[in-house]
Amino acid sequence: DTEVTQTPKHLVMGMTNKKSLKCEQHMGHRAMYWYKQKAKKPPELMFVYSYEKLSINESVPSRFSPECPNSSLLNLHLHALQPEDSALYLCASSQAPLQRMNTEAFFGQGTRLTVV
Amino acid sequence: QQQVKQSPQSLIVQKGGISIINCAYENTAFDYFPWYQQFPGKGPALLIAIRPDVSEKKEGRFTISFNKSAKQFSLHIMDSQPGDSATYFCAASMSAGNQFYFGTGTSLTVIP
Repeated sequence: DTEVTQTPKHLVMGMTNKKSLKCEQHMGHRAMYWYKQKAKKPPELMFVYSYEKLSINESVPSRFSPECPNSSLLNLHLHALQPEDSALYLCASSQAPLQRMNTEAFFGQGTRLTVV
Repeated sequence: QQQVKQSPQSLIVQKGGISIINCAYENTAFDYFPWYQQFPGKGPALLIAIRPDVSEKKEGRFTISFNKSAKQFSLHIMDSQPGDSATYFCAASMSAGNQFYFGTGTSLTVIP
């Protein structure tokens, strides 16, 4: 099983709403990532969790709050977003933090988020 | 600063032709170079990857050519098919790092 599952697939939220994106993998991967992707652009790294600890936060606004409850789950909590935050949010996982070995990253199908 | 430069931005190829996408990097610490294929509305899927100890890797119709001295690598898609129409991203990572650096993407259209 090389699947990274993201829910929901689509999300429309108002600027005052609070919502969460979920990501799950059962490959035993200990590194999990959140990326943001705008149309026709490459994925932009937001957060990296390594062994359930936040290891990289790429200067992401505090209205995005990641959480890694266990080695299989990754959440992204959203609050007071802006219309420019509308994008495809991608979760990925890899076998080990990249310091130890180069391993492939598997991406989920993404959550298409629209902020109105 | 873009760590990995990718060209062309878009590419149109006839069915059966060869599609070639090029990437270049500066950081010699990079030691893993994957290519991802992405269809509209989907997440990127790993297509093929190479490490700098080899100059070429082939999987089916997809080949990566790697030139360590020039710090360049390219994806060749032989016998291109309409189903190959997608956006392709090259990427690079380093053992000492904790993230992938993506190229800017190439939109490939294969016309019947």
